[in-house]
Amino acid sequence: EDQVTQSPEALRLQEGESSSLNCSYTVSGLRGLFWYRQDPGKGPEFLFTLYSAGEEKEKERLKATLTKKESFLHITAPKPEDSATYLCAVQAGDTGRRALTFGSGTRLQVQP
Amino acid sequence: GAVVSQHPSRVICKSGTSVKIECRSLDFQATTMFWYRQFPKQSLMLMATSNEGSKATYEQGVEKDKFLINHASLTLSTLTVTSAHPEDSSFYICSAPRQGRGNNSPLHFGNGTRLTVT
Repeated sequence: EDQVTQSPEALRLQEGESSSLNCSYTVSGLRGLFWYRQDPGKGPEFLFTLYSAGEEKEKERLKATLTKKESFLHITAPKPEDSATYLCAVQAGDTGRRALTFGSGTRLQVQP
Repeated sequence: GAVVSQHPSRVICKSGTSVKIECRSLDFQATTMFWYRQFPKQSLMLMATSNEGSKATYEQGVEKDKFLINHASLTLSTLTVTSAHPEDSSFYICSAPRQGRGNNSPLHFGNGTRLTVT
């Protein structure tokens, strides 16, 4: 069974204080690992897809990295508008299943 | 801009009534759509896979007679919660992969429907 575990559950940062969010996973043949941002009362907004260990992707203050067991979402010099829940999800390759398995998310709060 | 539209955004209904939620892909065709449910501070849990022109595939533990899914066209899937009860109150979210971008194209999500059953 595919599993995704995210830590920490919640994180409070001061504006400008960089940090990292962790996503550990077990999956039957990773087809892709996805990061989403979710604001309260909204659907998830796509951020990144990572396909293989060693891959990195960046977008503004966010950088996602991938190993064979985990992914990190690094947030550099965050701003209050980065406050949201960040979700990690995996897509299994061996089963041909297109649906994603999600972690519980990390609730990030950035204080001015 | 949004590529998946979901309606309504919130609905309150009385116990025993049925509620229909619509999910539309806006500028692409989706032969497959996914329906998720999310409880407060919890993960998105897949309920079912909606397949255009055929029966939906339900996840283990999800009652197919309670959560009716219809994928009537290449741009529309509906989820009907029948005989709703307070424990069905949740945040329901649909998603769809864009066609033509391979099996690992990212899912795009609607903005969700907050269902409250009184």
